[in-house]
Amino acid sequence: DQQVKQNSPSLSVQEGRISILNCDYTNSMFDYFLWYKKYPAEGPTFLISISSIKDKNEDGRFTVFLNKSAKHLSLHIVPSQPGDSAVYFCAANNFNKFYFGSGTKLNVKP
Amino acid sequence: DTAVSQTPKYLVTQMGNDKSIKCEQNLGHDTMYWYKQDSKKFLKIMFSYNNKELIINETVPNRFSPKSPDKAHLNLHINSLELGDSAVYFCASSQDRSTPAGYTFGSGTRLTVV
Repeated sequence: DQQVKQNSPSLSVQEGRISILNCDYTNSMFDYFLWYKKYPAEGPTFLISISSIKDKNEDGRFTVFLNKSAKHLSLHIVPSQPGDSAVYFCAANNFNKFYFGSGTKLNVKP
Repeated sequence: DTAVSQTPKYLVTQMGNDKSIKCEQNLGHDTMYWYKQDSKKFLKIMFSYNNKELIINETVPNRFSPKSPDKAHLNLHINSLELGDSAVYFCASSQDRSTPAGYTFGSGTRLTVV
């Protein structure tokens, strides 16, 4: 039973436009959420995080939104760049254990 | 200088064999992990060690045994390999288990059992 789900396996966006990656979770006890970015043949790298006491965290072109009532997390990338093309994993933390989604492959077209 | 390094990167082996995957981190982190990325691409935790002590042991077959000779190393030994063990295995480390920046991952080991 997957507690963190990314229902879109892929997303294609034009360079300069906004990319929105979505993540849903089932466990209301999660207290921390993160996004990781993964290039082929590399391990995931940390991108941005948000605590459950916040609803928004921004870092440059990346913003994560948290809607606790809907148990929904999203990552906005504005403006999208070709170098953002990668697989994005969302993860949620509960009792020091992270649960990962299955990833969304983002393709930013020049 | 690689922060979390795993060897080998690729491993092809026959059913029934015993194999090991090694992981080393030079970040001075206290906690190390093994994750398995299954065929559906989910990353699932298998084990976690904190200062050489096992702290997380998820429901994995007994054929999988982690070994941590020191806090910079966490190796994964797999006995009697089965076809279903084919996956990408990621090692990771963190300064503490709840660090906001999450983990630093290795680049993965793609295990193929034939």
